[in-house]
Amino acid sequence: AQRVTQPEKLLSVFKGAPVELKCNYSYSGSPELFWYVQYSRQRLQLLLRHISRESIKGFTADLNKGETSFHLKKPFAQEEDSAMYYCALHHTGSARQLTFGSGTQLTVLP
Amino acid sequence: EAGVAQSPRYKIIEKRQSVAFWCNPISGHATLYWYQQILGQGPKLLIQFQNNGVVDDSQLPKDRFSAERLKGVDSTLKIQPAKLEDSAVYLCASSLDITGDYEQYFGPGTRLTVT
Repeated sequence: AQRVTQPEKLLSVFKGAPVELKCNYSYSGSPELFWYVQYSRQRLQLLLRHISRESIKGFTADLNKGETSFHLKKPFAQEEDSAMYYCALHHTGSARQLTFGSGTQLTVLP
Repeated sequence: EAGVAQSPRYKIIEKRQSVAFWCNPISGHATLYWYQQILGQGPKLLIQFQNNGVVDDSQLPKDRFSAERLKGVDSTLKIQPAKLEDSAVYLCASSLDITGDYEQYFGPGTRLTVT
């Protein structure tokens, strides 16, 4: 069965410090991983997907199949990065459903 | 483009009462999803529609939950009768299709409190 684990419910860093939000997954097939973000009073929205291999708002995430991880990183955190972050796994196949982790609340302190 | 619309935004009911939620997806999006998000957890898929057909409802508690998308556009999710553990945010999402551009766009959610 597929599972996404985000071990940290809360994470606080100071502005300008590096930040890493951890995500581990278990999936028997070839995974497609995503990071979704929810800013205060806003909708859940896609931040980035591993197949794009792009940097969004300074964030990057590398899929490590050996460690079954997809950690989200940013070298210099900004206050506007404070939000709830969810790692999600896309089931390959016809249904293409998402399994979400429980989320990490990131707070960037001034 | 207009986003996914949901109503109501908030609902408080007593246990054993019934409740219905409405979702209007982004125009042209064939796939519609209903998620349940319990406090402190990530969203959990309840049911997925492709046009007006059900793709997956394996996690929908069918003894009390029902959903429909009769014309392949709007959808309603109903709970009857509600239990305390149904208190959650119910999210609707839509995507252009299952294949190709499958990014899911989420609505603002309906926060249900069952007392």
